[in-house]
Amino acid sequence: EPEVTQTPSHQVTQMGQEVILRCVPISNHLYFYWYRQILGQKVEFLVSFYNNEISEKSEIFDDQFSVERPDGSNFTLKIRSTKLEDSAMYFCASSDSKWASNQPQHFGDGTRLSIL
Amino acid sequence: KQEVTQIPAALSVPEGENLVLNCSFTDSAIYNLQWFRQDPGKGLTSLLLIQSSQREQTSGRLNASLDKSSGRSTLYIAASQPGDSATYLCAVTYTGANSKLTFGKGITLSVRP
Repeated sequence: EPEVTQTPSHQVTQMGQEVILRCVPISNHLYFYWYRQILGQKVEFLVSFYNNEISEKSEIFDDQFSVERPDGSNFTLKIRSTKLEDSAMYFCASSDSKWASNQPQHFGDGTRLSIL
Repeated sequence: KQEVTQIPAALSVPEGENLVLNCSFTDSAIYNLQWFRQDPGKGLTSLLLIQSSQREQTSGRLNASLDKSSGRSTLYIAASQPGDSATYLCAVTYTGANSKLTFGKGITLSVRP
């Protein structure tokens, strides 16, 4: 069964450094998402992306964050200047239907980001 | 505020028991509700998706129901097994939310052999 893949599985970065998290969504999917889960807390929506532009973003997704689909397969999340509070598990998801009324979002295994 | 709640946070049952996991959500204006399974340190595996027009969905030993008017969903697991031990998350797509998911905190299930 096709799946969403994320790399790396674990990223350790010094505070203030830039980090790029990578995702390869399912190949025929058109809608892409990033979520994060701080340890012990709920999974939170960050951003959704369709047709090479952001569809929606949460208040968490400030100017330090950006997303890009640099080619036909990858979808990246960049954090420009990391803070301690950015430490979390980051999940990428994809869907072949924006409204998902009959299509689920499929999630990757996540990247655990640790900021020192 | 649109919010999804799952209580209790943890549940421990003996193997073989049938069990029900609860999810409640504020605001009945939803597109769908999705149940996920999360194993420790792993991603989210989609189990069932119920559209707002549906009352229930079934997959194997799992059955999910939806009562939009009362803002509730249940995930029924029949004949539980130790391999069912995981965290189960409920997530809602609200109308006007542009398909983003709003998650509950999850219920950590432990099935004892």
